[in-house]
Amino acid sequence: QSALTQPASVSGSPGQSITISCTGTSSDVGGYNYVSWYQQHPGKAPKLIIYEVNDRPSGVSNRFSGSKSGNTASLTISGLQAEDEADYYCSSYTVSGTPWVFGGGTKLTVL
Amino acid sequence: QVQLVQSGAEVKKPGASVKVSCRASGYTFTSHYAHWVRQAPGQGLEWMGIINPSGDSTTYAQKFQGRVTMTRDTSTSTDYMELSSLRSDDTAVYYCARDYRHALDFWGQGTMVTVSS
Repeated sequence: QSALTQPASVSGSPGQSITISCTGTSSDVGGYNYVSWYQQHPGKAPKLIIYEVNDRPSGVSNRFSGSKSGNTASLTISGLQAEDEADYYCSSYTVSGTPWVFGGGTKLTVL
Repeated sequence: QVQLVQSGAEVKKPGASVKVSCRASGYTFTSHYAHWVRQAPGQGLEWMGIINPSGDSTTYAQKFQGRVTMTRDTSTSTDYMELSSLRSDDTAVYYCARDYRHALDFWGQGTMVTVSS
């Protein structure tokens, strides 16, 4: 069981927007602005797409955005494209004995 | 450009140890922490631990304490992760990643470790 809870799957049509949630506790998501999001295509290494809740690394499309409210963080992808079909993972720094935790991952299907 | 190049696939017997390397280039190695993350087949990401820039401090996930050792050689810009007492459920792809503002911004290509008798 992962420390952060994500939906197992989401789907959307090209051009639409989708949001993936990531629920933790006040010890991780709610307590720090160190939430990050990763995109992983099959057989590839994960790629950082959001850090510190809502910042994008250089080169990442502005179609990806992040936010946080209380103990839940969210990743929104607007203008869905076929290439966005992938697994998405959230992560947070935490005060617990294991200082970084991941969500279980969400499979995005572009219909 | 930032690159993290990991060592090749390994096949180990239960009870053995494995040591994976991660050679960094394209940035100041001693300015960044490094993480290790693993991913079992068909499963999600699992954080294993982190080593500080100078290599003299580590923090491990509780699950791996006592079985994992992370080290770094600053002279060759290489990080190492050694996992001992291997079991079949340690079969996974092991990744190194650079830390940037509490996120993992660049990742190695992954090293497949298979534990099988």
